[in-house]
Amino acid sequence: RKEVEQDPGPFNVPEGATVAFNCTYSNSASQSFFWYRQDCRKEPKLLMSVYSSGNEDGRFTAQLNRASQYISLLIRDSKLSDSATYLCVVNPFSTSGTYKYIFGTGTRLKVLA
Amino acid sequence: DTGVSQDPRHKITKRGQNVTFRCDPISEHNRLYWYRQTLGQGPEFLTYFQNEAQLEKSRLLSDRFSAERPKGSFSTLEIQRTEQGDSAMYLCASSWRPPGLAERGNEQFFGPGTRLTVL
Repeated sequence: RKEVEQDPGPFNVPEGATVAFNCTYSNSASQSFFWYRQDCRKEPKLLMSVYSSGNEDGRFTAQLNRASQYISLLIRDSKLSDSATYLCVVNPFSTSGTYKYIFGTGTRLKVLA
Repeated sequence: DTGVSQDPRHKITKRGQNVTFRCDPISEHNRLYWYRQTLGQGPEFLTYFQNEAQLEKSRLLSDRFSAERPKGSFSTLEIQRTEQGDSAMYLCASSWRPPGLAERGNEQFFGPGTRLTVL
């Protein structure tokens, strides 16, 4: 089983739609969680950190369920510019103090006009 | 530009040659990471530095790979005797964790990557 699992998609949605991405992780001791956005042939860029209380940034809402080891990202009122790959990222606990990221394979989103 | 920079952006080499990549992190960041990404996959962790100390190396990092961060600032990743399977995007990231924020911090910021093609 992969440490971080995502549905690879692609998700094709019309402009204005609401779309939700899910992600599960296997290491229950994981400490930090993030969503990154990656455009084609570009580097990942931080979209949101995910906190236990959930957090919202404009049209984007991220939630964490530690009991189910599940992270979600909701995008409301999709824009054409939201088309990208969304990477779920987990930062597992490490006794060596390494804060490495474990990435999912990413979910591709295409917003259609 | 105060972001993470990487050089070169693209490298084409023949199998068996050695290549070296450079990463300049955000200046106040003391943590530096190397990742590798192949098509259709998320980035995979290779190695981590805190200041100049290399604290973790992935099993992906065979003995043909070596990384350094001699003065705790820029880092280099060298691949010796390249193989076609080394073709990938090599990403560098840096971070700095503010003290006292237990659940926050450690957001990593990525450079534009070095795309390696081994012929």
